[in-house]
Amino acid sequence: KNEVEQSPQNLTAQEGEFITINCSYSVGISALHWLQQHPGGGIVSLFMLSSGKKKHGRLIATINIQEKHSSLHITASHPRDSAVYICAVNVDNDMRFGAGTRLTVKP
Amino acid sequence: ETGVTQTPRHLVMGMTNKKSLKCEQHLGHNAMYWYKQSAKKPLELMFVYNFKEQTENNSVPSRFSPECPNSSHLFLHLHTLQPEDSALYLCASSQNPGQGANSPLHFGNGTRLTVT
Repeated sequence: KNEVEQSPQNLTAQEGEFITINCSYSVGISALHWLQQHPGGGIVSLFMLSSGKKKHGRLIATINIQEKHSSLHITASHPRDSAVYICAVNVDNDMRFGAGTRLTVKP
Repeated sequence: ETGVTQTPRHLVMGMTNKKSLKCEQHLGHNAMYWYKQSAKKPLELMFVYNFKEQTENNSVPSRFSPECPNSSHLFLHLHTLQPEDSALYLCASSQNPGQGANSPLHFGNGTRLTVT
């Protein structure tokens, strides 16, 4: 069992819908990251969290340290949000990755 | 522009070939990493270089050989690969060592490798 579990694995939404992607982890962490991987392969760091909530444009990331859970929300989704979203956690100086959630937003 | 450039973007090689993947960053970062991403699997760390010194080799077979000639360049030399080595190989860098724990990771666009 992976130490970092994401759900769902695949998600299809209509443009404009509110999206939630979940991440649960089973180890003690110093930080959690949300990454976005475009179809071409490149990965962009969206958020780095150690507590609470962060917002950037239409993206919101939250983390509950006690429950070992984080969510990534996308408001007013758009086809250009279609990508794989990866949750990753720092354990000491190591990084453990989830398998990713593939999001497709249809116009 | 990601700040981390990988070449080539795509590579097809036979099992007897020798090839090299190149990664370049001009962000002034001190740590560089090679990751492997196989289909439907999480990213796997392969190698870590901090200040040009290799600090981690994650049980990677010897057919993969990294080289870091300076803090801006990282290579992955490939020889006698197997079809199961086909994957996306991603390079990343960070200002400080720690794989994102101390400073964000910046990824390249990856090299899609196919071994025939």
